[in-house]
Amino acid sequence: TQLLEQSPQFLSIQEGENLTVYCNSSSVFSSLQWYRQEPGEGPVLLVTVVTGGEVKKLKRLTFQFGDARKDSSLHITAAQPGDTGLYLCAASGSARQLTFGSGTQLTVLP
Amino acid sequence: NAGVTQTPKFRVLKTGQSMTLLCAQDMNHEYMYWYRQDPGMGLRLIHYSVGEGTTAKGEVPDGYNVSRLKKQNFLLGLESAAPSQTSVYFCASSSTGSPRRHFGDGTRLSIL
Repeated sequence: TQLLEQSPQFLSIQEGENLTVYCNSSSVFSSLQWYRQEPGEGPVLLVTVVTGGEVKKLKRLTFQFGDARKDSSLHITAAQPGDTGLYLCAASGSARQLTFGSGTQLTVLP
Repeated sequence: NAGVTQTPKFRVLKTGQSMTLLCAQDMNHEYMYWYRQDPGMGLRLIHYSVGEGTTAKGEVPDGYNVSRLKKQNFLLGLESAAPSQTSVYFCASSSTGSPRRHFGDGTRLSIL
């Protein structure tokens, strides 16, 4: 079982600030996903990255997959209160096995 | 477009009681999963199914049983509830060959 470490565990920032969340492992992934979970709901997929060095942008969110496919980061520019939520990374070694990190709880204060 | 539907949304049990959590998906997905989510521990896989009539153990299967009699339904049973099973339970589904999980909104279960 791959172990995924996310950091920081908690992050509280003011509206308009930038932030980066990290997801690291000692194992190589075939692909990595980022999910966002809001209170009372299930996680919702934001992005999947599959190629080492890949960068994907989703509006103010930028996702990067490490060259060695062992780590990933999520950068949010000019955070808004609507970005508040639990951000989870999940790594895949096969189509069935998906390991989740423990999550980063982000709070964006107005 | 319902996606993945879980019932009930909330439940309180006494230690030793049994219950079944229901999950239904309308996306014709082959794979279905049950996870539990506890603070600081992310999502941990309890059991999963790769098709109608099949089930397999995940990371934390003890104390739980599952059944997949119909492709669209995946049931999670607690035979004799224990306080350690207090958690939020999520059902998810995925299509063949895809790592993407489609999640329900969870069942919040408290065992007293």
